[in-house]
Amino acid sequence: DIQMTQSPSTLSASVGDRVTITCRASQSISSRLAWYQHKPGKAPKLLIYDASSLESGVPSRFSGSGSGTDFTLTISSLQPDDFATYYCQQYNNFSWTFGQGTKVEI
Amino acid sequence: VQLHESGPRLVKPSGTLSLTCAVSGDSFSSPKWWSWVRQSPGKGLEWIGEIYHSRSANYNPSLKTRVTMSVDKSKNQFSLRLTSVTAADTAVYYCARVRASAAGLFDSWGQGILVTVSS
Repeated sequence: DIQMTQSPSTLSASVGDRVTITCRASQSISSRLAWYQHKPGKAPKLLIYDASSLESGVPSRFSGSGSGTDFTLTISSLQPDDFATYYCQQYNNFSWTFGQGTKVEI
Repeated sequence: VQLHESGPRLVKPSGTLSLTCAVSGDSFSSPKWWSWVRQSPGKGLEWIGEIYHSRSANYNPSLKTRVTMSVDKSKNQFSLRLTSVTAADTAVYYCARVRASAAGLFDSWGQGILVTVSS
């Protein structure tokens, strides 16, 4: 299986901050990487797919970049609704695998 | 589309975990994959497996010997069965829809159901 490693595990930030989360794959996954937002007790939400494509309805302050093994999720100006845990996931190689998550907290 | 997981929330060790995912706003008559993902306490997300509308299935190799998935098109739902459970199978279980144009990309999820394995 491809291992997905996210950093940091926890990130403390304030409203208005620019936030960057990184995800590294143990081998090349081309651009087949997704980012999800997850809040306690709620369904995970797809934010970014194909490394940099914004899912319909997702605010433009979210952006993704990268290819091969190194990827980033950026929130340009953190909003109160953005405090959550973020996961990357590769869908290039079966079986599909997730990063361990990055919790964005105040 | 909405997905909703249901089933017993407490399962005894060595027993069988059985969950159902009811889907509304999408139809099983159109070809796509449907998946199960779980999150154990304090851990990340783990993909369990996926089933196609025509009942073909793929499973995570680490769980393959214990997992079975099925589809009931008449009820617009799909199911997960996990046998010989242990405490390590205690987790929140999510069902998800796989985007038709992108294998392995989960574009809609249920809210999840916590299943505890305990005597």
